[in-house]
Amino acid sequence: AQKITQTQPGMFVQEKEAVTLDCTYDTSDQSYGLFWYKQPSSGEMIFLIYQGSYDEQNATEGRYSLNFQKARKSANLVISASQLGDSAMYFCAMREGERSWGKLQFGAGTQVVVTP
Amino acid sequence: DAGVIQSPRHEVTEMGQEVTLRCKPISGHNSLFWYRQTMMRGLELLIYFNNNVPIDDSGMPEDRFSAKMPNASFSTLKIQPSEPRDSAVYFCASSLEGREGAYEQYFGPGTRLTVT
Repeated sequence: AQKITQTQPGMFVQEKEAVTLDCTYDTSDQSYGLFWYKQPSSGEMIFLIYQGSYDEQNATEGRYSLNFQKARKSANLVISASQLGDSAMYFCAMREGERSWGKLQFGAGTQVVVTP
Repeated sequence: DAGVIQSPRHEVTEMGQEVTLRCKPISGHNSLFWYRQTMMRGLELLIYFNNNVPIDDSGMPEDRFSAKMPNASFSTLKIQPSEPRDSAVYFCASSLEGREGAYEQYFGPGTRLTVT
């Protein structure tokens, strides 16, 4: 069964606008972590932001924020003030379990294109 | 700080040949992961090590694939014999498990493997 679902295969956003990338997850564990990674066309995977299941505050890192709605099992990424360099593939990922040995499960990704 | 180092960056080989991919994790990290990325299957975890010990190799496709981590600073992923369906980008990632925090994984640049 799909553990991480990203329903938006691609989207366009204008420079300086905000964009929200959807991510829903499926787990029966009480302890888990949610991650977002960026993959530009050059291919490297860049860690953006993390949210722990017990964190009460939504995570923020610069222009990135994570809208964590635990009851709905969603962890949407919000990019504020989009820049041309934000054009990339974005992956949501989850790690389950108290003993976080590090196994990440990735969604299919969302391709973001920022236009001038 | 040097990031995760992978070699080669590109590999083109003929079906039936042995392929060895190499990875040097970030110094001080205690966990290492091998992922494979294809258009059809997305990002898949193949195997991961903690303190040089394989923890979960359930993602290894079949016996043609093997991975080793002889010490904390080096790992190999070997495919023997290689097949065209093994063509993919192979990522190595490392993290520092066991401390409070996100345990984010840092990815190498990937090895693009083409098997003809």
